[in-house]
Amino acid sequence: EVQLVESGGVVVQTGGSLRLSCAGSGFTFEDYTMNWVRQAPGKGLEWVSLISWDGGSTYYTDSVKGRFAISRDNSKNSLYLQMNSLRTEDTALYYCVKCRGAGLSSPPDYWGQGTPVTVSS
Amino acid sequence: QSVLTQPPSASGTPGQRVTISCSGSSSNIENTYLHWYQQLPGTAPKLLIYRNNQRPSGVPDRFSGSKSGTSASLAISGLRSEDEADYYCAAWDDSLSGWVFGGGTKLTVL
Repeated sequence: EVQLVESGGVVVQTGGSLRLSCAGSGFTFEDYTMNWVRQAPGKGLEWVSLISWDGGSTYYTDSVKGRFAISRDNSKNSLYLQMNSLRTEDTALYYCVKCRGAGLSSPPDYWGQGTPVTVSS
Repeated sequence: QSVLTQPPSASGTPGQRVTISCSGSSSNIENTYLHWYQQLPGTAPKLLIYRNNQRPSGVPDRFSGSKSGTSASLAISGLRSEDEADYYCAAWDDSLSGWVFGGGTKLTVL
């Protein structure tokens, strides 16, 4: 059974930094593209970032470019999101999401339960 | 403002057939696959339809998807109370080099 368990979400002040982690199990982690997707309270889904199976390609939504960095450690079956210069609009539940395959446009299929990030001023 | 456009709400009575639309552009829906997600209250999203009209194992055949040009739709037949959820469409956008989601449609079963 595929499992994705996020951690690291906390309350942080504006301008602060945070590192989210996601531990994957039940599948061959290194074979799949991975994503971070967030959902602000009461709002819809917003894709944040994607990393290829080997970590060689990364993509970001415009609002986080230059502030967030996605990475992975396939030896630890883990995905990370380093978040710097946090803004109040980054407040959301952050989901770790596995894609169906290794292709960059392979659809996201399995989602973790999310870790909450609150940025306060 | 979401890149993909969905109606904010939809409703139907048990047993009815409802459809939810999703419209985009040539940089997303028209030239790639469209996918649908179901988010039950208080839970993480679940992949419902992928590659326009494919159902993952375990998804009932009451759910179906279609795509034409820059638009797509999700149809739910034999509506049940447990179908009450938020539904999102998603596609890869070549211009943005990233995933785009619709704003979501809240389905109410009356």
